[in-house]
Amino acid sequence: EPEVTQTPSHQVTQMGQEVILRCVPISNHLYFYWYRQILGQKVEFLVSFYNNEISEKSEIFDDQFSVERPDGSNFTLKIRSTKLEDSAMYFCASSIQGAGNSPLHFGNGTRLTVT
Amino acid sequence: QKEVEQDPGPLSVPEGAIVSLNCTYSNSAFQYFMWYRQYSRKGPELLMYTYSSGNKEDGRFTAQVDKSSKYISLFIRDSQPSDSATYLCAMSHNNNDMRFGAGTRLTVKP
Repeated sequence: EPEVTQTPSHQVTQMGQEVILRCVPISNHLYFYWYRQILGQKVEFLVSFYNNEISEKSEIFDDQFSVERPDGSNFTLKIRSTKLEDSAMYFCASSIQGAGNSPLHFGNGTRLTVT
Repeated sequence: QKEVEQDPGPLSVPEGAIVSLNCTYSNSAFQYFMWYRQYSRKGPELLMYTYSSGNKEDGRFTAQVDKSSKYISLFIRDSQPSDSATYLCAMSHNNNDMRFGAGTRLTVKP
């Protein structure tokens, strides 16, 4: 069964550094998402992406965050200058249609640790 | 009032028990309701997906949606130790984001 893959599985970075989290969505999916889960807390929506542009973003997704689909298969999340509170699991997801019309399929996440 | 409320548990049951998991929500615009299962250090895995009110059954799992009460449930019959995980409810309207509950941690003891 096709799946969403994320790399790396664990990323450690120093405060103020830039990180790029990578995702390969399921190949025939058109909508892409990033969610995060701070340890012990709920899964939170960050951003959705369709047709090469952001379709919706949450208040968490500030100017330090950006997303890109640099080629036909990868979907990336960049954090420009990491803060301690950015430490979390970051999940990429994809769906055939928008979240309201088809379920999201999640990757296994990247654990980001900011020291 | 939180948009999606879910009792975090933990919930512990003996093997073979019927498990009932629930969420309430406040946004009447939600139309799509999902249950995900999440094992430790893994991504959420879709279990059930329903639209609007009603019941849906898949093997040992049954999802119920009552939009009039803004209440959704997941029932697990003949629970197994392998069902031990955190169960997340999630819901969406016609936009692109999905709102999750806090997750209920379930342990099924052999």
